Amino acid sequence: EPEVTQTPSHQVTQMGQEVILRCVPISNHLYFYWYRQILGQKVEFLVSFYNNEISEKSEIFDDQFSVERPDGSNFTLKIRSTKLEDSAMYFCATPPTRGTDTQYFGPGTRLTVL
Amino acid sequence: QKEVEQDPGPLSVPEGAIVSLNCTYSNSAFQYFMWYRQYSRKGPELLMYTYSSGNKEDGRFTAQVDKSSKYISLFIRDSQPSDSATYLCASYAGGTSYGKLTFGQGTILTVHP
Repeated sequence: EPEVTQTPSHQVTQMGQEVILRCVPISNHLYFYWYRQILGQKVEFLVSFYNNEISEKSEIFDDQFSVERPDGSNFTLKIRSTKLEDSAMYFCATPPTRGTDTQYFGPGTRLTVL
Repeated sequence: QKEVEQDPGPLSVPEGAIVSLNCTYSNSAFQYFMWYRQYSRKGPELLMYTYSSGNKEDGRFTAQVDKSSKYISLFIRDSQPSDSATYLCASYAGGTSYGKLTFGQGTILTVHP
């Protein structure tokens, strides 16, 4: 299975602080996705990113959230002013090839907002 | 109505049993169906992927999709303790929802020796 890496594995932050979560997907890929999973709940879609633009986003993905591909390889999810309810696992995902029939998930970043 | 529904279990079976995991969905536009396995605080690991209706087999795993009844199944033969995990079904429509996976709640499976 192709590797998708995410950093950090665990991030603890104070409410109101900004956090940046990083993903390094399969190189030269055009499609990226972010999902989150609150403890004990289902995995939820946040945003899809194609060719350096957002292609779709969910209601969860409000103005507090942004995504970027700052250097052509890393892919970041930024939360501007974290809330307690942002505490969750955040996963990035990419398809294995240029097609998008399936998605492989990274190991996730556990975000804890205090 | 939730788009993808899955009985959270927990489901406990003895080693060697055949396990049946199921999901139902409501969105008729869904065409792609996946099963993921997830260990505690880890990322979902892709197990099986099917397009439209039909069966797909991979080793001890068989995935079935019945679009007429909007029913998705995963069968695990000769279950092992290492199969103990949470199993997630997921679907997406394609087209304008290209790649946006909708997940079920997940079923917690324990296979005891």
